[in-house]
Amino acid sequence: EVQLVQSGAEMKKPGESLTISCQGSGYTFTSYWIGWVRQVPGEGLEWMAIIYPGDGDTTYSPSFQGQVTISADNSISTAYLQWSSLKASDTAMYYCARRDFGDPFYYWGQGTLVTVSS
Amino acid sequence: EIVLTQSPATLSLSPGERATLSCRASQSVSTYLAWYQQKPGQTPRLLIYDISNRAPGIPARFSGSGSGTDFTLTISSLEPEDFAVYYCQHRSNFGGGTKLEIK
Repeated sequence: EVQLVQSGAEMKKPGESLTISCQGSGYTFTSYWIGWVRQVPGEGLEWMAIIYPGDGDTTYSPSFQGQVTISADNSISTAYLQWSSLKASDTAMYYCARRDFGDPFYYWGQGTLVTVSS
Repeated sequence: EIVLTQSPATLSLSPGERATLSCRASQSVSTYLAWYQQKPGQTPRLLIYDISNRAPGIPARFSGSGSGTDFTLTISSLEPEDFAVYYCQHRSNFGGGTKLEIK
């Protein structure tokens, strides 16, 4: 059974750094793209970035380029999303998801709530 | 960058009625057009991929159609569990969503 398990909720202050994780199981981690999707409370879905663990290839949405870093550690089948300096506007639920059927996300993690507040 | 515009923003219908949701792209897209359903407090669920293919386990009352810049998600006869928010997606873009609410 394919599973994506994300790290727990985080509460941070503006300016702090943060890395959240997404561990895949039940499939060959290096063979599928994994992406991150943001959802601000009460708002819609935003496609952020995607990585192919097999060769480390990445694509960022222009809206998030330079704001976050996506990476993966194949030895532990885990993808990461990293911020170097959080802002209050980064407060959101973050989902990881596996790309299937060529483009869309079929398998989703449970979400990681990030709250940034002074 | 392609912009996806969904309409209407809110659709009020009754169980048993037919729902038609629209997604318009700012420029022509390939076959990569998907639809998701999201209920409050839940993760999104993929319904349709490649414009018209149902994802595994999705009931036949959900169907997708369209080409070029105009795409439609149709729910033939609404069940109580279908009231949710629906998003279209192409590559790195999601539409703003349509909230399907009970009339």
